[in-house]
Amino acid sequence: GAGVSQSPRYKVAKRGQDVALRCDPISGHVSLFWYQQALGQGPEFLTYFQNEAQLDKSGLPSDRFFAERPEGSVSTLKIQRTQQEDSAVYLCASKAGTDYNEQFFGPGTRLTVL
Amino acid sequence: QQPVQSPQAVILREGEDAVINCSSSKALYSVHWYRQKHGEAPVFLMILLKGGEQKGHEKISASFNEKKQQSSLYLTASQLSYSGTYFCGTLGSYNTDKLIFGTGTRLQVFP
Repeated sequence: GAGVSQSPRYKVAKRGQDVALRCDPISGHVSLFWYQQALGQGPEFLTYFQNEAQLDKSGLPSDRFFAERPEGSVSTLKIQRTQQEDSAVYLCASKAGTDYNEQFFGPGTRLTVL
Repeated sequence: QQPVQSPQAVILREGEDAVINCSSSKALYSVHWYRQKHGEAPVFLMILLKGGEQKGHEKISASFNEKKQQSSLYLTASQLSYSGTYFCGTLGSYNTDKLIFGTGTRLQVFP
């Protein structure tokens, strides 16, 4: 497909479990972004990559959150020891080049922590 | 700090116009506008840059007042498909891609 894809689309985890969320960006897109979106709120920036380099991770809420993009393409957002407050939709977006281009968003992964 | 959008919600009949505002407490380099329908991903509408450049869809218009750190999105002759939540996203400088999204404006268009 031509768009950003994310998997799984839905994830239910018990409190304390580790989860891994995957993002496949649009082929050739240099930049990749992760956002967290709570119900009724706007997306909140978590982190972003330019190729394999993580340029900004200031939005990660705690050291339980970790993101990687080892080969500059697919990215994984890992959340360790999940808590109920981690329940949200996690959106991934990618962008071509480094000038002013739009971000293309994936459908998101809805994480529910019980 | 998160940009503030106004109004929080708008209800329109088809064919009516609306203006959505985005205001930041910080200096802005660019403003991005997205629309998100319930349960779907945000979709790009427009980018406005400091200095007047714009990039976006032909049927969408917007303005960017750098001095006031504000942007407005103009929706004219609204269609049912315009319904959704509109978010502005702001960049503080040219050397970052960290978009800070606003509080959102929910728009509903009825026949």
